[in-house]
Order: sequence, then structure tokens, then C-alpha cells
Amino acid sequence: SQELEQSPQSLIVQEGKNLTINCTSSKTLYGLYWYKQKYGEGLIFLMMLQKGGEEKSHEKITAKLDEKKQQSSLHITASQPSHAGIYLCGARGGSQGNLIFGKGTKLSVKP
Amino acid sequence: NAGVMQNPRHLVRRRGQEARLRCSPMKGHSHVYWYRQLPEEGLKFMVYLQKENIIDESGMPKERFSAEFPKEGPSILRIQQVVRGDSAAYFCASSPQSQVTYGYTFGSGTRLTVV
Repeated sequence: SQELEQSPQSLIVQEGKNLTINCTSSKTLYGLYWYKQKYGEGLIFLMMLQKGGEEKSHEKITAKLDEKKQQSSLHITASQPSHAGIYLCGARGGSQGNLIFGKGTKLSVKP
Repeated sequence: NAGVMQNPRHLVRRRGQEARLRCSPMKGHSHVYWYRQLPEEGLKFMVYLQKENIIDESGMPKERFSAEFPKEGPSILRIQQVVRGDSAAYFCASSPQSQVTYGYTFGSGTRLTVV
């Protein structure tokens, strides 16, 4: 079965610094989804990448998909306390449309 | 347009009791997915339902757990004779079609505590 490994598991950065979170799949990726979860809350959809080499940006968050490496990266520029939370990557795990998820990367941003 | 609504937000049950978790999908969404998040673990897929049908229940424990999505009303995840290991956050997501093209919309979850 497919597995997604995220790195790092946790990250503490100073406000204003850039950071990158990686998501590596054990199998070929057919679409990669990034979500953000704040403690005690549900998941907020950030973006979806479908094609190798695809890159999407939303405000200060950029995600890229490297199909050959079966990997996606999420980059945050000039981090702010509002970026703090758990970032989860998800990928299609089965033929029926359900997603499988990595264990998440916990991001803390120090003011 | 309200998002995915889950209730209750928090549920406390004694061992051996039943837990019923409800999920109302977004308007126009006919596909519902249930996930469980255990402490320090990622989200694990449990079951995928369409109105009146279970499409994929490969992630559901074989015993005590059941799910339904009736023609009218919310989707229900039912856990019978709860045990301490069932304590987790249970999330519901919905989508307008079977293939996840645009990403699910998740609810805020139900946090089940078994005492």
C-alpha cells in the first residue's frame, strides 16, 4: 500500500524566515494535496497538484510536485505566526477516490 | 453555503456505550468520507459512502464500527461498545463527485473520549 512520509516532523522557525516541508511517496503520485490543520480544528484545503513539474502559489505558500522523485514540497516565504499549525500532504490511495495522508509536519512560528 | 457540519464537537462515552457521530456534507455534495486521527498519528481513511451506498469500507474495523448515509439526513458513524482505544478525532469530508478532483472539504471533527 502507498505511504506518504513527511519531513521534518516538526519545525520551529523565527517569524520572517523561509521554510520548506517535504512529502515523499512510496509509489507514483497521481495528484498531491496539501492541507493545514490548526489544533483542535478540521483541515483546511491549501492546494492540489496534478502534473509533474506543476507549481502553485497562494499568498506566501508555494507547492511543487516532482513526479519523478515522487515528492512534493511546500515552501513558506517570510513566515508569520498565522502560518503555525500542522501541514498534511495527501494523495489518492485507492481507485475509489479516498485520500491517504502523511503524519503531518507541525510548524511553530516564534514572534 | 455552510461547510461540512459535524456534531457533536466533543463526545464522552463510558466503556461499553455506543457513540454516534453525525456528518452533514456540503450542499450539493453526495460523497462522504470518514477519517480517524489518533494522537501522534496521521489521518486514517475509514469509509467512503455515497447516498444509500457504501463504496469502500476497507479502512473500517471489522467489528463494532458501522456507517450509513441515508437518502435523507446526515451520514452517521456508529461505534458500538466503545473501548479506550476508540478515543480519537473523527473527521468527515465531502466532495461533489467520486474522483477527488478539487480536494475534499473537511468538517471540524468530533473528538471522542472513552472513559
